[in-house]
Amino acid sequence: KNQVEQSPQSLIILEGKNCTLQCNYTVSPFSNLRWYKQDTGRGPVSLTIMTFSENTKSNGRYTATLDADTKQSSLHITASQLSDSASYICVVSYNNNDMRFGAGTRLTVKP
Amino acid sequence: ETGVTQSPTHLIKTRGQQVTLRCSSQSGHNTVSWYQQALGQGPQFIFQYYREEENGRGNFPPRFSGLQFPNYSSELNVNALELDDSALYLCASSLVPTGHSSYEQYFGPGTRLTVT
Repeated sequence: KNQVEQSPQSLIILEGKNCTLQCNYTVSPFSNLRWYKQDTGRGPVSLTIMTFSENTKSNGRYTATLDADTKQSSLHITASQLSDSASYICVVSYNNNDMRFGAGTRLTVKP
Repeated sequence: ETGVTQSPTHLIKTRGQQVTLRCSSQSGHNTVSWYQQALGQGPQFIFQYYREEENGRGNFPPRFSGLQFPNYSSELNVNALELDDSALYLCASSLVPTGHSSYEQYFGPGTRLTVT
């Protein structure tokens, strides 16, 4: 069954600290994997997109990794800021045009 | 801002009624996807329109229907509303269908639908 599982479900960290969010998937055949940031009540905003051949991609303080063999991805946030408080959603595309969204990790950054 | 707009922002309907939600895609984008996002959950794919044709559909019943116009704006129609249809409805536009490409998908702010 095509699934995308994210962990942890929620996370609280102090401002300035680093954190890593996980995404495991079982979808096949894999096309690409995206990480989105979604502020409460807003639409998701793309952070990174990775295809099968890419194993790391950075966007400022956000670094995503992909291990297509183990079907795992992570999103690492460096030197967190209060504005990083949001939900982070992992999305995997497969079968040419199907997409499966994870439930997201709710990150809270406290001062 | 992404350039993708949705209307209305909020909507309250009664069970059994019908609703139409609208989405204007980013300039030059010919693909629009619609998603339903329940509170605390990730978005669920409803369907996608590419050049006015349906180009993929998720696991939603036929009372969820859509339309894409020649200017690539789109509508989502939901008939016989149920309480469980209460959610944030997101639309996203892209230059081409997103599944087999690395093109960006840009989301609108969403329409919050409440069914009472």
